[in-house]
Amino acid sequence: QQPVQSPQAVILREGEDAVINCSSSKALYSVHWYRQKHGEAPVFLMILLKGGEQKGHEKISASFNEKKQQSSLYLTASQLSYSGTYFCGTEMAGGSYIPTFGRGTSLIVHP
Amino acid sequence: EPEVTQTPSHQVTQMGQEVILRCVPISNHLYFYWYRQILGQKVEFLVSFYNNEISEKSEIFDDQFSVERPDGSNFTLKIRSTKLEDSAMYFCASRNRPGSDEQFFGPGTRLTVL
Repeated sequence: QQPVQSPQAVILREGEDAVINCSSSKALYSVHWYRQKHGEAPVFLMILLKGGEQKGHEKISASFNEKKQQSSLYLTASQLSYSGTYFCGTEMAGGSYIPTFGRGTSLIVHP
Repeated sequence: EPEVTQTPSHQVTQMGQEVILRCVPISNHLYFYWYRQILGQKVEFLVSFYNNEISEKSEIFDDQFSVERPDGSNFTLKIRSTKLEDSAMYFCASRNRPGSDEQFFGPGTRLTVL
């Protein structure tokens, strides 16, 4: 069952913040976040495994609320290089550990 | 830094022809995957492969598709008789352990079926 991402698109100016959400109707074991630029492969950002876990990578961080079956990706002080489509991939608890991807959130950062 | 590689980067074929897409996963990884992405759409799972056999496959992965690991390094996806709707970007990915380790994607092969 594919996760639901929101919003579908975000338009920002450099330096602004954004939050992208990913939710599932099934119990989750992990959530992956990827960024994909047009015509390129998805690039792994981070994986979150435990309920309530939060991870960060420079100005990009994410949280995973296992009980709510939700994850959020936080982009702080966005840069032009953050533009792209962000996908979450979810692995089901007790499942086959194969990420199922959402439809993606398009992020456009303007100067 | 180790990476997944794929060849060719772009393949153009006529409907009904067979194509083989090639991937070299990261050398110490044990789990291999094929995904496809139709232009403008989400990444869709096709098949996973572990210990020289298919461990999981999606509804998309019908009898027209097959995968093989012919030697210790290559991982191939064969489409026996291509259809127009097979036109997509095909990504190979590999992973050391499912469930906890990151999954690395290759650069993709753009397949165009005419």
